[in-house]
Amino acid sequence: DAKTTQPTSMDCAEGRAANLPCNHSTISGNEYVYWYRQIHSQGPQYIIHGLKNNETNEMASLIITEDRKSSTLILPHATLRDTAVYYCIVRAFTGNQFYFGTGTSLTVIP
Amino acid sequence: DTEVTQTPKHLVMGMTNKKSLKCEQHMGHRAMYWYKQKAKKPPELMFVYSYEKLSINESVPSRFSPECPNSSLLNLHLHALQPEDSALYLCASSQGDGGSLDEQFFGPGTRLTVL
Repeated sequence: DAKTTQPTSMDCAEGRAANLPCNHSTISGNEYVYWYRQIHSQGPQYIIHGLKNNETNEMASLIITEDRKSSTLILPHATLRDTAVYYCIVRAFTGNQFYFGTGTSLTVIP
Repeated sequence: DTEVTQTPKHLVMGMTNKKSLKCEQHMGHRAMYWYKQKAKKPPELMFVYSYEKLSINESVPSRFSPECPNSSLLNLHLHALQPEDSALYLCASSQGDGGSLDEQFFGPGTRLTVL
């Protein structure tokens, strides 16, 4: 599975968009990009996933570059409850195991 | 019901004790997972069960023994643990068909302390 690289930490003002980057330069054609977040001492929570196209759901948007070597998770209007560690994960299509990267600790500031 | 439950929430055990962690889901998922998470670190995959059979063991020491009695239950038996095994143990489940949306649902974890 491809490894992912994320910034260690980021701050975002409440109400503004939070843009969290992820580098996965060794991703192969059949690997998906998943995003999870983990609020302190809770289990990780699924946010969104994609293969090639940009994706949007009620929580976030996922922008994947055309070469698929990087992606950005966008939280459109960050709230204090979005403070968490955000993990970018690459998963093979045929496998069901996840290997977490180091994640980005996002702090939303009032 | 989209919940994965784990018991107990907290566990303190000595190095000579035998204890078990329990995980349960009623979503009809056929894949279940154990992860270990040390403080300020990402979760590390330990075991994967697929259709009640152990499919992946990430070179976990034998003092950790997983068991999947049926498709809804997953246990982790602990014996002769070391203090460095103290961590948050997370259970997860997924449909297990390896399809495009095989998202994993995580439980809240068991906080284990080994004295």
